[in-house]
Amino acid sequence: NAGVTQTPKFQVLKTGQSMTLQCAQDMNHNSMYWYRQDPGMGLRLIYYSASEGTTDKGEVPNGYNVSRLNKREFSLRLESAAPSQTSVYFCASREDRLNNSPLHFGNGTRLTVT
Amino acid sequence: KNQVEQSPQSLIILEGKNCTLQCNYTVSPFSNLRWYKQDTGRGPVSLTIMTFSENTKSNGRYTATLDADTKQSSLHITASQLSDSASYICVVQGANDYKLSFGAGTTVTVRA
Repeated sequence: NAGVTQTPKFQVLKTGQSMTLQCAQDMNHNSMYWYRQDPGMGLRLIYYSASEGTTDKGEVPNGYNVSRLNKREFSLRLESAAPSQTSVYFCASREDRLNNSPLHFGNGTRLTVT
Repeated sequence: KNQVEQSPQSLIILEGKNCTLQCNYTVSPFSNLRWYKQDTGRGPVSLTIMTFSENTKSNGRYTATLDADTKQSSLHITASQLSDSASYICVVQGANDYKLSFGAGTTVTVRA
């Protein structure tokens, strides 16, 4: 039972490079999320997908795009990386956005942009 | 201003001792409050959920309390163990928009 799987675990980019963070869940959850975690600031929502076929902006969406490829997979793309995007990125899923179900998190991608 | 404030930012305790973490929120109307534990290098994992009608809930050595009138919650760790060293995050869900608001977390270090 893998839960939420994120790849890669670590990545170093130069300013201006692009990359895609991959996320997959095997719990048949409807809702999926991308967060970034920075020291002292807690987790901040980048984008979320309430259900397959829908995506919505969170509180810090600038510089990012997402794709809900199917019910299992939700990817995050940085088109032109900036040093301000240095962070730890977490993908999460939950049974449904509209109930009390908990978030299930992956183990994160540590991204450094130089 | 963040709608969920946690204190202290960090604390150090000796193995076997107890500690209490605080979470104050302004989210209204409120649906539920959940505490997560995040080990270093891992994603957060849910410890317990408190809904409006609940005052106290235990999960092993972890006990959460909720005072919905004062919008305060606490997480009490009893007889701490080295494995309790982690960051503890308070997350509040709104009742109307279902939005999740995160606290910045409290980092607990348990020393032998």
